[in-house]
Amino acid sequence: GENVEQHPSTLSVQEGDSAVIKCTYSDSASNYFPWYKQELGKGPQLIIDIRSNVGEKKDQRIAVTLNKTAKHFSLHITETQPEDSAVYFCASRDYGQNFVFGPGTRLSVLP
Amino acid sequence: DADVTQTPRNRITKTGKRIMLECSQTKGHDRMYWYRQDPGLGLRLIYYSFDVKDINKGEISDGYSVSRQAQAKFSLSLESAIPNQTALYFCATSVDGLNEQFFGPGTRLTVL
Repeated sequence: GENVEQHPSTLSVQEGDSAVIKCTYSDSASNYFPWYKQELGKGPQLIIDIRSNVGEKKDQRIAVTLNKTAKHFSLHITETQPEDSAVYFCASRDYGQNFVFGPGTRLSVLP
Repeated sequence: DADVTQTPRNRITKTGKRIMLECSQTKGHDRMYWYRQDPGLGLRLIYYSFDVKDINKGEISDGYSVSRQAQAKFSLSLESAIPNQTALYFCATSVDGLNEQFFGPGTRLTVL
């Protein structure tokens, strides 16, 4: 079955700097890659997603890039702010149309 | 009001007890899911349902059962709770298999 790896597990950045989180997946048939943000005490919430027919997608300070050949995709957050501090999960949708999630990255934005 | 609600939000129980976690949604989605979250392991799928008559096991279904009482309600049961079922449990919904899933706020379960 699908396997999703995510790095790093923890990431600390200074406010205003950029943050990058990387995920790799194993199933070449996967075609949908969402990123979720989980704040303390809340459920995960979608922040951006990308489909396999697109190489990059941006939404204000957030962007996702996809390399289908290498089977990896990355989340980029620019001009980080304290409210970006959270746990971020990547996911890949396998052939059975269920998501397989990465283990998560805890991002801390230091003032 | 929240689109996906879970009750209870926190529960402490003892080994061997039967526990039911409930999920309700007002999004009108056919598909519902139960996940378990453990530190460092991400979200793992326990059970999923594509409609009221369709229930499927996920990656880690042993020790759990579910009931889809209506389109809007999906319950997770632990028939005889054990300490390694201590975790954060999330319910999610989706309109189809092509787009995002919407998560509830979670239930923190502790089994002593």
